[in-house]
Amino acid sequence: ETGVTQTPRHLVMGMTNKKSLKCEQHLGHNAMYWYKQSAKKPLELMFVYSLEERVENNSVPSRFSPECPNSSHLFLHLHTLQPEDSALYLCASSQGASGRYEQYFGPGTRLTVT
Amino acid sequence: AQTVTQSQPEMSVQEAETVTLSCTYDTSESDYYLFWYKQPPSRQMILVIRQEAYKQQNATENRFSVNFQKAAKSFSLKISDSQLGDAAMYFCAYRTSNSGNTPLVFGKGTRLSVIA
Repeated sequence: ETGVTQTPRHLVMGMTNKKSLKCEQHLGHNAMYWYKQSAKKPLELMFVYSLEERVENNSVPSRFSPECPNSSHLFLHLHTLQPEDSALYLCASSQGASGRYEQYFGPGTRLTVT
Repeated sequence: AQTVTQSQPEMSVQEAETVTLSCTYDTSESDYYLFWYKQPPSRQMILVIRQEAYKQQNATENRFSVNFQKAAKSFSLKISDSQLGDAAMYFCAYRTSNSGNTPLVFGKGTRLSVIA
């Protein structure tokens, strides 16, 4: 496996369900990110982890809960979501969290909340 | 706050022709980075090209080049000899060069179609 991988690729869940999205990077990077991509809107940064410490929480509702157990793995735990949370969730990683490092993206998880 | 604007929601180009995608941004910073990302239908976003604001020379990467106009805060992407595989969403993005944790700010994207 190379690059950034995400599982599952597609997820349909009810509003009362609890699920988790997984991201894994095989690049030896120290920073990882969650983005939300909705139709006709710019990508929205949700969370940033640097060296396994959360360094940015971009006013995301508490029904989204990130977890970074080590520098290679990032999870997004979901509970009691709303239909407007349906979107493509992208994970990314970079060598460091500062501006000069480019980000490498995973293929995304297409989430549908019913 | 920084903003990135892509004024062309959709563009099309004939195969082998050249197309330019526009991007403007707003910032009060003097040092920053600009990026163009490509997101094909398979959805994996990949970096196409990057530009450091302190460099006057426009970045080039094979058939991809940029026209960076710092004073005008403009950062357009030129794709030469367009190929069918170039069809994708293209996102312009900005990031400050601060050593701290700085987010990428994205535009809404331009959908490029390549006509055979």
